Amino acid sequence: EAGVAQSPRYKIIEKRQSVAFWCNPISGHATLYWYQQILGQGPKLLIQFQNNGVVDDSQLPKDRFSAERLKGVDSTLKIQPAKLEDSAVYLCASSFSQGARETQYFGPGTRLLVL
Amino acid sequence: AQSVTQLDSQVPVFEEAPVELRCNYSSSVSVYLFWYVQYPNQGLQLLLKYLSGSTLVKGINGFEAEFNKSQTSFHLRKPSVHISDTAEYFCAVSGVQGAQKLVFGQGTRLTINP
Repeated sequence: EAGVAQSPRYKIIEKRQSVAFWCNPISGHATLYWYQQILGQGPKLLIQFQNNGVVDDSQLPKDRFSAERLKGVDSTLKIQPAKLEDSAVYLCASSFSQGARETQYFGPGTRLLVL
Repeated sequence: AQSVTQLDSQVPVFEEAPVELRCNYSSSVSVYLFWYVQYPNQGLQLLLKYLSGSTLVKGINGFEAEFNKSQTSFHLRKPSVHISDTAEYFCAVSGVQGAQKLVFGQGTRLTINP
């Protein structure tokens, strides 16, 4: 079974530029998550989708971050404009359903450096 | 809301020695508890989880953890570590109702010395 795919793996941009990350979850997984992991910290949930609807985006900085999952499968996370403090690893995860008992499967992440 | 504190940011141990990684949580509701491992340049992988029942939970790679409700702890243990266990370990908590999100601790870097 293929795991969660993410691209690109690495991205370097200058502040005020825009960037987009892509995630393809495990086939059949209805729930998709985007996490931000700043160096030295644990992952922090940015947004959770159930199919193509948003379940939780309370920690998403909506003035600069946006995410979509139009067909309920793959997803894109965008930052526009980027700030220095956005330097982090962006992890995508998926689970079969949205219940708290469900195991979340993580992709390898996209490492973003904002200069 | 839930929170997690991992009491050690780094734990160095010698190969074949036992190890314990400490995790304490705070929550006003019943919780599920998780330990994830992150190898260099990889995503997180589930080691084990406590949902209900026996407080001693066994996971992959010889790890186990014990849920202690009175002390609000979920410490991870392994009786004999290997070089391949070198990684970052994250404890996480979620509430049991509905689509509760995972809240992660800061992580503990486990370094195994030969």
